[in-house]
Amino acid sequence: ELVLTQSPATLSLSPGERATLSCRASQSVSSNLVWYQQKPGQAPRLLTYDASNRATGIPARFSGSGSGTDFTLTISSLEPEDFAVYYCLQRSSWPYTFGQGTKLEIK
Amino acid sequence: EVQLVESGGGLVQPGGSLRLSCLASGFTFSANTMHWVRQAPGRGLEYVSAISATGGTTSYGDSVKGRFTVSRDNSQHTLFLEMNSLRVEDTAVYYCLRPYDFWGQGSLVTVSS
Repeated sequence: ELVLTQSPATLSLSPGERATLSCRASQSVSSNLVWYQQKPGQAPRLLTYDASNRATGIPARFSGSGSGTDFTLTISSLEPEDFAVYYCLQRSSWPYTFGQGTKLEIK
Repeated sequence: EVQLVESGGGLVQPGGSLRLSCLASGFTFSANTMHWVRQAPGRGLEYVSAISATGGTTSYGDSVKGRFTVSRDNSQHTLFLEMNSLRVEDTAVYYCLRPYDFWGQGSLVTVSS
């Protein structure tokens, strides 16, 4: 099973700051990587797909990058509503797998 | 508007069975692969199952293989997950999704004696 490792587990930042979240795969997933945001009591929300394509309605401050085994989700300037848990998902090989999540909390 | 509405969750004893349903609307259900993902309380996300648009191809996560069965009725725009031999560790919110953009609200399954 392909393993995704997200870092850091928790990221403490203030509104207006830049957030950089990492997702590393145990083997290449090419560009078959998806990022989600999840808030308590809600279903995950699609942010980016195919590593770097922003989903419909997602603000431009969210950007994804990377290919192969190393991926990054960047939030250029944090808004109060961005504090949540973020998951990466690989859809390169079955079983598809998620990373364990990065909790973005207010400092 | 795309909507996915799960139903059928509840409390079941270990070893028991449950069938989840997911009613889809707002898109061409019969043209889309559909997935199930679960999330145990306070934990991360785990892939459970996938089914092709026609239902001819199915896939399962290792933790549910041989116990869960995914199916669909395209005429009724409905996705199903039949869960047998349930274990305490199957306790989770189960989400149906149209990969990868639209998710249902989730259905809680609790396996406990």
